[in-house]
Amino acid sequence: GNSVTQMEGPVTLSEEAFLTINCTYTATGYPSLFWYVQYPGEGLQLLLKATKADDKGSNKGFEATYRKETTSFHLEKGSVQVSDSAVYFCAQVSGNTPLVFGKGTRLSVIA
Amino acid sequence: DAGVTQSPTHLIKTRGQQVTLRCSPKSGHDTVSWYQQALGQGPQFIFQYYEEEERQRGNFPDRFSGHQFPNYSSELNVNALLLGDSALYLCASSFYRYTEAFFGQGTRLTVV
Repeated sequence: GNSVTQMEGPVTLSEEAFLTINCTYTATGYPSLFWYVQYPGEGLQLLLKATKADDKGSNKGFEATYRKETTSFHLEKGSVQVSDSAVYFCAQVSGNTPLVFGKGTRLSVIA
Repeated sequence: DAGVTQSPTHLIKTRGQQVTLRCSPKSGHDTVSWYQQALGQGPQFIFQYYEEEERQRGNFPDRFSGHQFPNYSSELNVNALLLGDSALYLCASSFYRYTEAFFGQGTRLTVV
C-alpha cells in the first residue's frame, strides 16, 4: 500500500543552520505530496505541496521538490530560526487513498 | 473565512463511556476525514465522509463511528472507551476526496 518514510528525529540545529528533512514515498500512480507542520499543542498546518513530478513547493523559506525518479520530497530551508521549532510531517494522497503521513520529525532550533 | 473548527478542545472521559467529537469544515469543502494522533506519532486515518456517507475506513474497530450532516459538518463517536483511545483527534476537510486537506486544531481526549 501507499506509505511515507521520513527521517527519524529529533533534529537539533543552531539558528541560521541549513535544514534538510528526508522523505520518500511508495505509491501506486502519481501522488500529490505535502509537508505539514505541527507546533506544540496545535493541529497540522499545510506548509507546502507539489502535485506533479519536478514541481517545487515553497513557503516561508521552506522548499521541497517532487522527485519521481527517486520517489522523494525532501524538505529544505537555508537558514532556520528558533520559531521553526516544530514537528514536520511528510504526506501523500494518490489514487483512491486518503492522506497518508510519515511518523514526523521533531525539529529543535537553539539560539 | 473560518477554517476547520473542532469542539471541544479538551475532554476527559472514563473507561467504558462514550464520546462525541464535532467538526465544521472549511467553507467550500465537502469532505471530512478524521485522524487519531497518539503522542509522538503521525496521524492515523480513521475514516472519511463525503456526500453524507462513509467512503473509506482505516484500521479502526467498529467502536469508532461517524456521521456527516447536510451542511458537511461531521461527528466522530467512540463507544466503550479504552485507555488506549487517549489521543489527539484531528478533523481535516477538503474539496472532494483526494485533494489537499486542511486541519482543525484537534480535540485532546484523555480516557482515565
